[in-house]
Amino acid sequence: EDQVTQSPEALRLQEGESSSLNCSYTVSGLRGLFWYRQDPGKGPEFLFTLYSAGEEKEKERLKATLTKKESFLHITAPKPEDSATYLCAVQEGTGANNLFFGTGTRLTVIP
Amino acid sequence: DGGITQSPKYLFRKEGQNVTLSCEQNLNHDAMYWYRQDPGQGLRLIYYSQIVNDFQKGDIAEGYSVSREKKESFPLTVTSAQKNPTAFYLCASSIWEPTRHEKLFFGSGTQLSVL
Repeated sequence: EDQVTQSPEALRLQEGESSSLNCSYTVSGLRGLFWYRQDPGKGPEFLFTLYSAGEEKEKERLKATLTKKESFLHITAPKPEDSATYLCAVQEGTGANNLFFGTGTRLTVIP
Repeated sequence: DGGITQSPKYLFRKEGQNVTLSCEQNLNHDAMYWYRQDPGQGLRLIYYSQIVNDFQKGDIAEGYSVSREKKESFPLTVTSAQKNPTAFYLCASSIWEPTRHEKLFFGSGTQLSVL
């Protein structure tokens, strides 16, 4: 069973049309949940870390929230430059081996 | 500007050939990592290193080798034993914290293809 599931796989939005991306996880002892943005042909870029249920982080048009089973990345009034793949990763326990990445949501914002 | 530099951007491997991917960082991070990214799959950990002259296998280390002779450098060799090497390879670094994972800083990746 996958430890991290992201949905939807792909999302097309009109510029200004707000929406949310989902990251659900099944790890038993969450030590941290990470969101990254990846542009085509580039390495991921860090966005947020969340550590406990109820925590929220914001950056420009993005807001990340965390519950005991999932995280949402809310995008408010997106612009074309927000088009990218958004990756979620969860850490279970300690150690570098315990970081699990989802397959990502590919977001396209149409002008 | 501090960051991670990967080279080359594109690499082609012939049958039976070993190839080496370069990764250099000037962020003064102790920890460095190699991930493999395939379409439709999450990033998978190949090797990681917490300190110079020490490294650990990740989930998919078979057919790969690494070295960590300097803090700044963590090259990855894809050996001929790796039968399906075509993928996008990402190097990353982070502050090392034993109790939790710190955010990763990634390089721009190397696309490896088989001729």
